[in-house]
Amino acid sequence: EVQLVESGGGLVQPGGSLRLSCAASGFTFSTYGMNWVRQAPGKGLEWVSHITSSGSATYYADSVKGRFTISRDNVKNSLYLQMNSLRAEDTAVYYCARALAVPDTRFGYWGQGTLVIVSS
Amino acid sequence: EIVLTQSPATLSLSPGERATLSCRASQSVSRFLAWYQQKPGQAPRLLIYDASNRATGIPARFGGSGSGTDFTLTISALEPEDFAVYYCQQHSNWPLTFGGGTKVEIK
Repeated sequence: EVQLVESGGGLVQPGGSLRLSCAASGFTFSTYGMNWVRQAPGKGLEWVSHITSSGSATYYADSVKGRFTISRDNVKNSLYLQMNSLRAEDTAVYYCARALAVPDTRFGYWGQGTLVIVSS
Repeated sequence: EIVLTQSPATLSLSPGERATLSCRASQSVSRFLAWYQQKPGQAPRLLIYDASNRATGIPARFGGSGSGTDFTLTISALEPEDFAVYYCQQHSNWPLTFGGGTKVEIK
């Protein structure tokens, strides 16, 4: 069974940093592209970032480009999101999502999310 | 950036009724469109991919159609568990984008 478990969320001040993690199990992690998708309170879904299976290519939404960095460790079966220069508008539940197939940018499996609150 | 516009924003229907949800893209996405369902407090779930293919375990009452710029998600007869928010997503171009969602509520 595919499992994705996010962690690392919490309360951070504007301008601060946070690192999110996503622990994957139940599939061959190194085979699949991975994503971060976020949802602000009461709002819709927003794709944040994608990383290819090997980690050789990354993509970002314009809203986070230059501030967030996606990475992965295929030995530890983990996905990461380093978030710097955080703003109030980054407040959201952050979901880790696995690609449906190989290669792919459809979100086949989702974690339960971790809440990030940016506030003073 | 490809903008996806979903309509209506809210759909008020009774169990057993047919639901028709629309997703319109600002430029052609071919058939690279997916639909997701999200219930309160839960993560989204993939329903339909490539415009018309049901994901694993999705009941046959869910159907998708369309290509290019106009897409439709149809729920043939609403079950109580189908009342939720539905999002479309295009994976034709970077950045990946979602529609604003359609809430299907009980009338």
